[in-house]
Amino acid sequence: IAGITQAPTSQILAAGRRMTLRCTQDMRHNAMYWYRQDLGLGLRLIHYSNTAGTTGKGEVPDGYSVSRANTDDFPLTLASAVPSQTSVYFCASSDSGTGTGELFFGEGSRLTVL
Amino acid sequence: GQNIDQPTEMTATEGAIVQINCTYQTSGFNGLFWYQQHAGEAPTFLSYNVLDGLEEKGRFSSFLSRSKGYSYLLLKELQMKDSASYLCAAMDSNYQLIWGAGTKLIIKP
Repeated sequence: IAGITQAPTSQILAAGRRMTLRCTQDMRHNAMYWYRQDLGLGLRLIHYSNTAGTTGKGEVPDGYSVSRANTDDFPLTLASAVPSQTSVYFCASSDSGTGTGELFFGEGSRLTVL
Repeated sequence: GQNIDQPTEMTATEGAIVQINCTYQTSGFNGLFWYQQHAGEAPTFLSYNVLDGLEEKGRFSSFLSRSKGYSYLLLKELQMKDSASYLCAAMDSNYQLIWGAGTKLIIKP
């Protein structure tokens, strides 16, 4: 079944540790996104990529990095996790770099930083 | 600044109609999206409006007024499975989505 796969589904992490959330899509979408979702807040964009080889910063990029080596994969790395990064992380893709297409979301990665 | 406002929570009865409102302020405008998100799951696309007026899609309809910075999602013949959060998002001039916090809809029998 075509779609977006995220891993891990959930993770408990000690503060200061490095963590990479994986995201893979098989829809050949150009654009990919990482959001975090916190209770009472809207989805907040962390980083995005309009096409393979390019990335950009979203609303809340500090403490996170991404890479887009190919069309399918868009990993998100927390270099040194802090408790404020406890959140649910959603990867998404769309088939238009301008974002006029609908977003397709992965199932989310629930991260707890202690 | 850019902002999206929508009610935090609404309650409705199975079989009834409910309207979820959303007001937005963005730098430029390239459309208004509605997504549905069941608890513990990913958001899924419901509708996209870029022109004024009503778009109907089965039991769900979405309305947009660009001059008023206003949209609503109308759900008819409510079913228990419609219990979910409904997310409003406006796209600004840079094609970035500004998301509301979501409206949690509770359906009662």
